[in-house]
Amino acid sequence: EMFMTQSPATLSASPGERATLSCRASQRISSKLAWFQQKPGQAPRLLIYGASTRATDVPARFSGSGSGTEFTLTISSLQSEDFAVYYCQHYNNWPLTFGGGTKVEIK
Amino acid sequence: EVQLMESGGGLVQPGGSLRLSCAASGFTFNNFGMNWVRQAPGKGLEWVSYITESGTGIYYADSVKGRFSISRDNGKNSLYLQMNSLRAEDTAVYYCARDGAPGATTFDYWGQGTLVTVSS
Repeated sequence: EMFMTQSPATLSASPGERATLSCRASQRISSKLAWFQQKPGQAPRLLIYGASTRATDVPARFSGSGSGTEFTLTISSLQSEDFAVYYCQHYNNWPLTFGGGTKVEIK
Repeated sequence: EVQLMESGGGLVQPGGSLRLSCAASGFTFNNFGMNWVRQAPGKGLEWVSYITESGTGIYYADSVKGRFSISRDNGKNSLYLQMNSLRAEDTAVYYCARDGAPGATTFDYWGQGTLVTVSS
């Protein structure tokens, strides 16, 4: 089973700041990685797939990068609506697995 | 507009059974693989099961293999999850999610979820 490790567990930042979230896979997964955003009481929302392709209607301030085992989600300038929990997910093989999440909170 | 609506959750005793349903609308259901993903209270996301467009290909997480069964009825635009031998650790919000991102086995649309509580 592929293990996905996200860091940091919590990121404290102010609106307007840049946020960098990391995700590491236990084995090489090429670019088969997605990122999700989840707000309290809501279903997750797909942000990025293929490590760097933004999903429909996702603002350009969200960008993904990386391949192999190391991946990054960058939010270039945090907006109030971006404070949430973010998950990475691999789809290199079965079973699909998620990272433990990074909570982005207001500093 | 793509919509997914889960139903069938509730309180069940350990060892009991429950059947979840997901009604899909706003897209051609039989063109997409479908998933169940769950989230225990206050915890992260866990993929549970996947079924291909035709229903001929099925995968499960090890944690539910042999106890849960995924199925679909393309004529009714519906996805199902039969859950047997339920355990306390199966307590979670269960989401159905479409596998729709191009070239990626991931979840592009989600329902709002249905809560399953396993407790005596």
